[in-house]
Amino acid sequence: QKEVEQNSGPLSVPEGAIASLNCTYSDRGSQSFFWYRQYSGKSPELIMSIYSNGDKEDGRFTAQLNKASQYVSLLIRDSQPSDSATYLCAVFSGGYNKLIFGAGTRLAVHP
Amino acid sequence: SAVISQKPSRDICQRGTSLTIQCQVDSQVTMMFWYRQQPGQSLTLIATANQGSEATYESGFVIDKFPISRPNLTFSTLTVSNMSPEDSSIYLCSVRSTSPSSTDTQYFGPGTRLTVL
Repeated sequence: QKEVEQNSGPLSVPEGAIASLNCTYSDRGSQSFFWYRQYSGKSPELIMSIYSNGDKEDGRFTAQLNKASQYVSLLIRDSQPSDSATYLCAVFSGGYNKLIFGAGTRLAVHP
Repeated sequence: SAVISQKPSRDICQRGTSLTIQCQVDSQVTMMFWYRQQPGQSLTLIATANQGSEATYESGFVIDKFPISRPNLTFSTLTVSNMSPEDSSIYLCSVRSTSPSSTDTQYFGPGTRLTVL
């Protein structure tokens, strides 16, 4: 079992729709969770962090965390073509003292 | 967030040669990391660069191939030695920031795109 799993996609959504990106992780002791956005040819950019169960909203982005189910999600409301990128879920493994990345989900927002 | 710069931004090298990548941060950071991202893949941690001591390498990466220096809290280098085409990747420097409002947040430099012929 991979430590952090994401659906590779591509996830295709129409402009204006809600994009839902999902991630599961295996280390129950994990306390910190992150979503990075990576445009083609660019480095990852941190867009959301979440540490407690529940929802965290920042503009059009909402991160959701459920530690009991070991599940993290990212919702993007009113999706724009400029949101088209690969979204990387990352989990901080305290046991290993390092950030572990999922394979990433490619999102395509079409006009 | 920390501002991270890397040099060079890209390079094309011949097999058997070595390339040193530099990473500069605009503030002192305790933890610096080097990642590799092969085409179409996610990020793989190469090593943690420790200030004042040897780097800590992940499984599958060795010091002879990827020597790392960390002379101070704002600077690190990664050398890719005796390169082969399989080393063609993006190499990313990353730093971890710890503050009351951003526990264990990690930021990435712009990356170095390496092509080995």
